[in-house]
Amino acid sequence: AAGVIQSPRHLIKEKRETATLKCYPIPRHDTVYWYQQGPGQDPQFLISFYEKMQSDKGSIPDRFSAQQFSDYHSELNMSSLELGDSALYFCASSSPREHTYEQYFGPGTRLTVT
Amino acid sequence: LAKTTQPISMDSYEGQEVNITCSHNNIATNDYITWYQQFPSQGPRFIIQGYKTKVTNEVASLFIPADRKSSTLSLPRVSLSDTAVYYCLVVGDTGRRALTFGSGTRLQVQP
Repeated sequence: AAGVIQSPRHLIKEKRETATLKCYPIPRHDTVYWYQQGPGQDPQFLISFYEKMQSDKGSIPDRFSAQQFSDYHSELNMSSLELGDSALYFCASSSPREHTYEQYFGPGTRLTVT
Repeated sequence: LAKTTQPISMDSYEGQEVNITCSHNNIATNDYITWYQQFPSQGPRFIIQGYKTKVTNEVASLFIPADRKSSTLSLPRVSLSDTAVYYCLVVGDTGRRALTFGSGTRLQVQP
């Protein structure tokens, strides 16, 4: 079965640079979520999109922005990168079934800021 | 959303049944309980969800007492590959589906 695809899998950037992470949800899933997991930390919700509209916002820094496109893929844009942005970034998607909280997570993008 | 509390770590041996209990005293009427598993450097994976009583699927059982202030994830006959972090999450049926991860339980299965 198709899974959530994230690219790139690994990314190395320097401080103050920008980065763009991409996420391709499972076909027919209408909601995309972005999570950040720092070293030794628990995943933290950043932002989500439902039918290409921002639906919820978590602890996403102002330096980050995201959008969902007409083909439902999503991109997380990160600017003025800081050392503390080094983390695993997960994208997840879910289907529109009621009363289900099953999110399908991608393999993640490991971002290293030097 | 209700805050969850679960043990920081647990140890077990292969073949044993493992029960991880999570407390969520402030759970609201419309909240559901869901559990996720995470291996190092991988995305969390959904295990099971429930509202009340008992739910069972091919990998686990979830027990929820009548007051719903706690829940217990039961893993039958664990193997080494069940070594992972297990997260208990309370999710509200309010349209917001984002998951709020607290501190999970690190399960270590020994041979």
